[in-house]
Amino acid sequence: DTAVSQTPKYLVTQMGNDKSIKCEQNLGHDTMYWYKQDSKKFLKIMFSYNNKELIINETVPNRFSPKSPDKAHLNLHINSLELGDSAVYFCASSQSLLVGGAEAFFGQGTRLTVV
Amino acid sequence: ILNVEQSPQSLHVQEGDSTNFTCSFPSSNFYALHWYRWETAKSPEALFVMTLNGDEKKKGRISATLNTKEGYSYLYIKGSQPEDSATYLCALASGNTPLVFGKGTRLSVIA
Repeated sequence: DTAVSQTPKYLVTQMGNDKSIKCEQNLGHDTMYWYKQDSKKFLKIMFSYNNKELIINETVPNRFSPKSPDKAHLNLHINSLELGDSAVYFCASSQSLLVGGAEAFFGQGTRLTVV
Repeated sequence: ILNVEQSPQSLHVQEGDSTNFTCSFPSSNFYALHWYRWETAKSPEALFVMTLNGDEKKKGRISATLNTKEGYSYLYIKGSQPEDSATYLCALASGNTPLVFGKGTRLSVIA
């Protein structure tokens, strides 16, 4: 049973398209996140949701819109994809907003390639 | 913007060697320091979460220490094995921000 699952694992699409990446966690966690692994292999926070409410929205283009239908799901929708959006996107969850001892559990990543 | 630094960037050791790497972070508004192990083609997995100055945690041959006053943590691996080859990430939890990750130390253990 995968604790945090993302789909799809790989996504190849053309510039200008709109695409979504889905994330689900079965850990009963309150908080979910999207991280982007950039070209330097660096994990950078994009969004954080706590109990379906947006908590953190880092400097991310508004073409990226997270949606949390319930606290077990946090999907990432991307409009008008650009070449620079190519990266690996990781979903994660934790029991709380990572204050103190709440470790994060990561999905396996979605490798997005925009051509 | 919080800055979490890890060194070295990469490390090659022989099987059986012990090794350690460093994570440096700003000590203000400290809440927790996390260490994650990230194998190629997998997702990061938590090794330790440390919250108190002077914390020492151990899991098998891997251990970590924390100094929140001076803003650093060490990760130690005793008797490295090829299966220890991975990228080791540290991450800082501070205030109400989610984890800020360092760039990792890539460890290769040569048999």
